[in-house]
Amino acid sequence: DAGVIQSPRHEVTEMGQEVTLRCKPISGHDYLFWYRQTMMRGLELLIYFNNNVPIDDSGMPEDRFSAKMPNASFSTLKIQPSEPRDSAVYFCASSSKLITPQDYGYTFGSGTRLTVV
Amino acid sequence: DQQVKQNSPSLSVQEGRISILNCDYTNSMFDYFLWYKKYPAEGPTFLISISSIKDKNEDGRFTVFLNKSAKHLSLHIVPSQPGDSAVYFCAASGGSNYKLTFGKGTLLTVNP
Repeated sequence: DAGVIQSPRHEVTEMGQEVTLRCKPISGHDYLFWYRQTMMRGLELLIYFNNNVPIDDSGMPEDRFSAKMPNASFSTLKIQPSEPRDSAVYFCASSSKLITPQDYGYTFGSGTRLTVV
Repeated sequence: DQQVKQNSPSLSVQEGRISILNCDYTNSMFDYFLWYKKYPAEGPTFLISISSIKDKNEDGRFTVFLNKSAKHLSLHIVPSQPGDSAVYFCAASGGSNYKLTFGKGTLLTVNP
């Protein structure tokens, strides 16, 4: 298994532009999470899905952020318009309670480092 | 409001000595706690966990201690090795949801 695959690994964009981050979860995992890592706030949960349905989006900072999961093998996180304060590392993780419940079975991708200039 | 707090941004120890990383939480609903380890340019990986029904869990060189009354947990690494140098995140979960709440992380540096 290739693990959780995120693309791109790095993204540099200008303020005001639209940014789309992509994630392919591990096959068979029914939970997908988007986290953002910053020095100030650490790893914060933005949104998570169960069976492709958004369950909790209370961490999404504002309307400029949106996430979709059109099928079990793909999810996107979109920022429109982007701002310099959105600069961070964005992680996608997938999980299944049924597989390894004792560790929550979270498998993280390698992250996308976003820089908005 | 940070529900999981790691108040030490960094920790430096000598190889062979004990590393102790601390974590405090505020949410009484949390009943499951985990530690993750993160190397640069990689995603966090699971290290060890503990349920609230226990006060200690051990896995090789890693031991997690939970003090529910103080809402405090700690990770002990004995002996510390240079390869342990990484950012360590404390995480917690509880209630009916399945999400993990993470702290800000502590950068551990183990010097040879």
